Amino acid sequence: GDSVTQMEGPVTLSEEAFLTINCTYTATGYPSLFWYVQYPGEGLQLLLKATKADDKGSNKGFEATYRKETTSFHLEKGSVQVSDSAVYFCALITGYSTLTFGKGTMLLVSP
Amino acid sequence: GAGVSQSPRYKVAKRGQDVALRCDPISGHVSLFWYQQALGQGPEFLTYFQNEAQLDKSGLPSDRFFAERPEGSVSTLKIQRTQQEDSAVYLCASSLVPGSNTGELFFGEGSRLTVL
Repeated sequence: GDSVTQMEGPVTLSEEAFLTINCTYTATGYPSLFWYVQYPGEGLQLLLKATKADDKGSNKGFEATYRKETTSFHLEKGSVQVSDSAVYFCALITGYSTLTFGKGTMLLVSP
Repeated sequence: GAGVSQSPRYKVAKRGQDVALRCDPISGHVSLFWYQQALGQGPEFLTYFQNEAQLDKSGLPSDRFFAERPEGSVSTLKIQRTQQEDSAVYLCASSLVPGSNTGELFFGEGSRLTVL
């Protein structure tokens, strides 16, 4: 079945540092890929998405590129802020089915 | 409010009790999903409604779990004879369009169930 593997957290960074959160997947067919974010005390919200190979999703300074050859969708940001502290979830969907999520990666950014 | 609302936010139940968790989706949203999130894990799919029709209940872990959405808006997830392994956060999400393939799901803050 479909699955998503994320790097374990917490990821601890200083403000303005470069961020990478790794995500790899296994899926039947050609999935669409997503990053969701959960800020403290809030519900999950869609951060960005990519629907086909080589697509780059971007939002709020975050970006991720759909790499079919490496089955990866790594999340990156050039300069993190304290306000980016949250839990980040990589997810996929194939066809008309339901989202499959990774376990989540907590990001902690200190001033 | 404008978002997905879930209640109660926290529920403590004794083993064997029945619980009911409520979800108020965003008005006009066709699709409604329930997910279960155990501690340290990602959300796992339980069931999906399109309007009042329950189109997919393949993720419900046992026949103790039951969900309904009788008028195509508010949904209730009911767990009968709760067990300790049912302890988790139960997330509700809604979407304007059928299915979830756009990824544009709007999640509530969840109901945290603790079974003693």
